[in-house]
Amino acid sequence: DIQMTQSPSSLSASVGDRVTITCRASQRVSNYLSWYQQKPGKAPKLLISAASSLQSGVPSRFSGSGSGTDFSLTISSLQPEDFATYYCQQSYSTTSFGQGTKVEIK
Amino acid sequence: EVQLVQSGAEVKKPGESLKISCKGSGYRFFDYWIGWVRQRPGKGLEWMGIIYPGDSDTRYSPSFEGQVTMSADKSINTAYLQWSSLKASDTAMYYCARQASLSSGWYTFDPWGQGTLVTVSS
Repeated sequence: DIQMTQSPSSLSASVGDRVTITCRASQRVSNYLSWYQQKPGKAPKLLISAASSLQSGVPSRFSGSGSGTDFSLTISSLQPEDFATYYCQQSYSTTSFGQGTKVEIK
Repeated sequence: EVQLVQSGAEVKKPGESLKISCKGSGYRFFDYWIGWVRQRPGKGLEWMGIIYPGDSDTRYSPSFEGQVTMSADKSINTAYLQWSSLKASDTAMYYCARQASLSSGWYTFDPWGQGTLVTVSS
């Protein structure tokens, strides 16, 4: 099984901050990496697939990068609606999710 | 609009059976894989398995193989997740989610259903 490890597990940031979340796979997953956003009481929402492909309707302040084992999700200027938990997911070998990163208001 | 609508919350006792549903609309239901994901209270996302409604081909996560059964009825655009004997540890929110696109691979999920909360308590 491929293990996905996100860091940090949580972070506090202010509106306007640049935020980066990292995700490391226990083995190479090429670019089979997606990012999801989950707000409290809501279903997850796909933000980015194929490591860097922004889904339609997702604000351009979100970006993804990486390949192989190391990936990152960056929010260039944090907005109030971005406070949520973010999950990475590999789909190279069946699938598995990271443990999540909670982005909280500072 | 592509949409998945799940059945309502359930409260069950240990040992009881349960079947929850996920109805798709706005697309050709039988063309896209449907995945199921568990989220225990305050915890992360766990992939349970996927089913292809076109022919009911099913792939289970090893962690859930034998614990649940996935099925689909393409005539009514509905996928199901069922338990024959619930345990307290099955208490969780359960989400269904569609394969994002025909070119995205089976396990990239978009959209998701709203979730079904299953509570198992004596």
